Amino acid sequence: EIVMTQSPATLSVSPGERVTLSCRASQSFNNNLAWYQQKPGQAPRLLIYRASTRATGIPARFSGSGSGTEFTLTISSLQSEDFAVYYCQIHNNWPLTFGGGTKVEIK
Amino acid sequence: EVQLLESGGGLVQPGGSLRLSCVASGFTFSTTAMAWVRQAPGKGLEWVSAFGGTDDKTDYADSVKGRFTISRDNSKNTLYLQMNSLRADDTAVYYCAKDLWGWSFDLWGRGTLVTVSS
Repeated sequence: EIVMTQSPATLSVSPGERVTLSCRASQSFNNNLAWYQQKPGQAPRLLIYRASTRATGIPARFSGSGSGTEFTLTISSLQSEDFAVYYCQIHNNWPLTFGGGTKVEIK
Repeated sequence: EVQLLESGGGLVQPGGSLRLSCVASGFTFSTTAMAWVRQAPGKGLEWVSAFGGTDDKTDYADSVKGRFTISRDNSKNTLYLQMNSLRADDTAVYYCAKDLWGWSFDLWGRGTLVTVSS
């Protein structure tokens, strides 16, 4: 089983800043990595799949990159509605595995 | 409207059983792969089980294998999760999720809370 480690656990950021979230895999895989955003009391929302493909309706300020074992979600200019917890997930590999999440909070 | 609506959660004693349902609408359910994902209170996401769209392939996380059974009724656009031998660590919000591509999930229900406690 591939273990996904997200860092940092919490990130304090000011609106307008550029944000970079990290997701590291315990072994290399085929780059089928997804990113989700979850706000309190809500279901997760798919942002990115296949490491860099934005899901329908996701703003261009969200971008994904990486390969092998190192993956990144970048938010180019943080908006107020972006404060949330972000999860990475291996997809198309079994078992499906989520990272522990990174909370992006207001500085 | 494209949506998933879960039901069937509640309070159950350790060792008990529950069946969760997820009714889908707004897309072609019969050919869409579906899954259950859970989230314990204050914790992260954990994939539980999956059911293929164009085949009958199913899979389970090790933590629920042998206790949970996923099934679907395409005539009712409904996904199920039969949960037996429930334990305290099964306490979570259970989400139904729709596959977009390669088991990435682009549509989620609001979730149903399962609490296992005596």
